[in-house]
Amino acid sequence: KAGVTQTPRYLIKTRGQQVTLSCSPISGHRSVSWYQQTPGQGLQFLFEYFSETQRNKGNFPGRFSGRQFSNSRSEMNVSTLELGDSALYLCASSSVGQKIYEQYFGPGTRLTVT
Amino acid sequence: AQSVAQPEDQVNVAEGNPLTVKCTYSVSGNPYLFWYVQYPNRGLQFLLKYITGDNLVKGSYGFEAEFNKSQTSFHLKKPSALVSDSALYFCAVSPTTDSWGKLQFGAGTQVVVTP
Repeated sequence: KAGVTQTPRYLIKTRGQQVTLSCSPISGHRSVSWYQQTPGQGLQFLFEYFSETQRNKGNFPGRFSGRQFSNSRSEMNVSTLELGDSALYLCASSSVGQKIYEQYFGPGTRLTVT
Repeated sequence: AQSVAQPEDQVNVAEGNPLTVKCTYSVSGNPYLFWYVQYPNRGLQFLLKYITGDNLVKGSYGFEAEFNKSQTSFHLKKPSALVSDSALYFCAVSPTTDSWGKLQFGAGTQVVVTP
């Protein structure tokens, strides 16, 4: 089975721009979560989607948004980028049933805001 | 509020020696606890989880963890460390039973295994 894929892997943007990151979960996984990883704040939960519905949201400003499509693929969008948004953005997917709670992470998208 | 603490920023161990990475938690209700490992420039890899049942949980790559409710700890262990175990290790908790997609992570512990 193919793992979680994230595109693009690297991205450089300028302050004020917006960016869209994409995540394709493992086949059959319906839950997709997003995390931000920075040296200062560590790993922080952004939001989680299940069957196209946002189930949970972390403590991030409204500039951060996401969505999930009917094929479980997910995108996250950051508008009006700030320098502090530079981070590794990780996507994770999980299934239901016995393997619930096991999240499988993609390699991440490294976003640099200049 | 739920929280996870990893008291050590770095653990140094010689190859072949036992490895322990500490984690303590604070949650209301029954905890769902996890260990993940991150290698440089990679995403996180799932090692093991505790949901319920036996306090000793066995996971991938020879790792195991012991859930101790009285001490609110979930330490990761490996009997004999390998140089390839050098990585960043994260303990995590799932806050509530219906939030399986929302993990709260500790700050991480860098493990360095020397030959």
